[in-house]
Amino acid sequence: DVKVTQSSRYLVKRTGEKVFLECVQDMDHENMFWYRQDPGLGLRLIYFSYDVKMKEKGDIPEGYSVSREKKERFSLILESASTNQTSMYLCASSPPAKNIQYFGAGTRLSVL
Amino acid sequence: QKEVEQNSGPLSVPEGAIASLNCTYSDRGSQSFFWYRQYSGKSPELIMSIYSNGDKEDGRFTAQLNKASQYVSLLIRDSQPSDSATYLCAVATSGGSYIPTFGRGTSLIVHP
Repeated sequence: DVKVTQSSRYLVKRTGEKVFLECVQDMDHENMFWYRQDPGLGLRLIYFSYDVKMKEKGDIPEGYSVSREKKERFSLILESASTNQTSMYLCASSPPAKNIQYFGAGTRLSVL
Repeated sequence: QKEVEQNSGPLSVPEGAIASLNCTYSDRGSQSFFWYRQYSGKSPELIMSIYSNGDKEDGRFTAQLNKASQYVSLLIRDSQPSDSATYLCAVATSGGSYIPTFGRGTSLIVHP
């Protein structure tokens, strides 16, 4: 079974803090993704990566950055957290040449 | 801009009935189609994939694809209260960037 693990299920941070969300997958997938999900807005792609040290902007990259130093790990960084970044964050991975995505359990982030 | 449209619902059906969930997409080059189920507070999980016109059955679930009409549907037979969830339609172009476009989801409620 594919396993995508997100480091935290719930996180509470203060405005202006730097926030790290970690994601690890155990299936040697090339492709990894970060989404945020908000009521009524669906899944929105923040960043994705198709290889180590490679990253591409998604639909809403502003205020976020990512890091992929190892194939299995993809980190999302909120440089200076703001209240409008309060959301559910979902990490996903997919195997090469496949569009099927496997999601982690999600991190519900609250920025106060 | 690739679009995937779903009625947000909620779609309410009695236990034992057939639930019919629909999805339309804008990109005629789409070749891969997926249905994900997302329980409240949980992450999406893949339940069906379909790649060619026609029907694909898996247990109580049937996915139907009509590329000419740019329409994909999911039928759930003998609906159970445990089927109550949000169902996300996702569409992708094979050979592209392997990033599916997700619809915003349809909320299904199966009442006893």
